[in-house]
Amino acid sequence: QVTLKESGPGILQPSQTLSLTCTFSGFSLSTYGMGVGWIRQPSGKGLEWLANIWWDDDKYYNPSLKNRLTISKDTSNNQAFLKITNVDTADTATYYCARITMMVLDPIPHWFAYWGQGTLVTVSS
Amino acid sequence: DIQMTQSPSVLSASVGDRVTLNCKASQNINKYLNWYQQKLGEAPKLLIYNTNNLQTGIPSRFSGSGSGTDYTLTISSLQPEDVATYFCFQHNSWLTFGSGTKLEIK
Repeated sequence: QVTLKESGPGILQPSQTLSLTCTFSGFSLSTYGMGVGWIRQPSGKGLEWLANIWWDDDKYYNPSLKNRLTISKDTSNNQAFLKITNVDTADTATYYCARITMMVLDPIPHWFAYWGQGTLVTVSS
Repeated sequence: DIQMTQSPSVLSASVGDRVTLNCKASQNINKYLNWYQQKLGEAPKLLIYNTNNLQTGIPSRFSGSGSGTDYTLTISSLQPEDVATYFCFQHNSWLTFGSGTKLEIK
């Protein structure tokens, strides 16, 4: 059974660095074809993809936020991480992590079939 | 950047109706289009991947179609539990979600 769960600080101040953790089970980020992505959603608004990390440590970032994002993983503890520097009130959102899979004979990734419950992050002074 | 435009933004229909939700890409996305359902207070759920493939466990009343820049999600017979916001998602070039269609019951 695949599960993911996000954790974060809840609230932080403008200009601080946001650190998020995704703890998952039912798969390993050391297995070929596995990946984890981060997506956020301001309250009442749409979804915005942020970053992905793959089993081979390949990383992809949303170009509009790339300079502020760092994604990483700890395969031993089944965790993925996302850091966002210099946060602003516009970064207030629910942050989700989700699984990505890619099969050996299919070059098209299976995007975000499993999601965590999300963690709400509020940026406020 | 590929922009995804969904229409209508809000759709009200009756139980049992056939419902069609639309998604238009700003350029050809080669059928690399998924649909997600998000109920209030929940995480999104994958319904359809690569235009017309039903995700495991999703009821067969959901179907997808399209090509090029234009895609649709169809619910053949609307059920009360289908009340949700539906997002399209392109993965042809980088990753972009549409702004969503909120589906309500009349």
